[in-house]
Amino acid sequence: EVQLVESGGGLVQPGGSLRLSCAASGFSFRNYNINWVRQAPGKGLEWVSYISSSGSVIYYADSVKGRFTVSRDNAKNSLYLQMNSLRAEDTAVYYCARAAAGSPEYFQHWGQGTLVTVSS
Amino acid sequence: QSVLTQPPSASGTPGQRVTISCSGSSSNIGSNTVSWYQQLPGAAPKLLIYTNNQRPSGVPDRFSGSKSGTSASLAISGLQSEDEADYYCAAWDDSLTGPHVVFGGGTKLTVL
Repeated sequence: EVQLVESGGGLVQPGGSLRLSCAASGFSFRNYNINWVRQAPGKGLEWVSYISSSGSVIYYADSVKGRFTVSRDNAKNSLYLQMNSLRAEDTAVYYCARAAAGSPEYFQHWGQGTLVTVSS
Repeated sequence: QSVLTQPPSASGTPGQRVTISCSGSSSNIGSNTVSWYQQLPGAAPKLLIYTNNQRPSGVPDRFSGSKSGTSASLAISGLQSEDEADYYCAAWDDSLTGPHVVFGGGTKLTVL
């Protein structure tokens, strides 16, 4: 069974940093592209970042470019999101979402999410 | 404001057929495939339709998707109470600033 478990969320002050993790199991992690998607409280879904299976191709939303860094450790079956210079508008539940095999175009499996709250 | 435009709400009675529209542009829906996600209250999103009109295993055939030009739609036939949820469309966008994914603002479906 495919499982994606996010962790690392919490309360952080504006301007602070946080590192999210996504632990994967039940599939060959190194063969799949992964995304981060977030959802502010009571709002819709917003794509944050994409990383290819090897980590060689990375994309970011304009809203986080220059502040967030996505990475992965295929030996540890883990995905990371380093978030710096956090703002109130970054407050959201952050999901990792795995693409389908051979197709980056849709999110086949989602984790349960981790809540990040940016507030003083 | 979302790049893909969805109606904020939709409703129907049990057994009815409802459709949810998703309007985009040539850089997203017009040149890439569309996927749809269902989000039940308090839960993570779940893939409902991929590659415009394909259903993952386990998704009832009451759900169907279509795409034409720069628009897409999700149809739900034989509406059931458990279909009450938020629905989102998504597509990759090949903009000049680099590839990225765009979502619709979501449609809250109420089963009356």
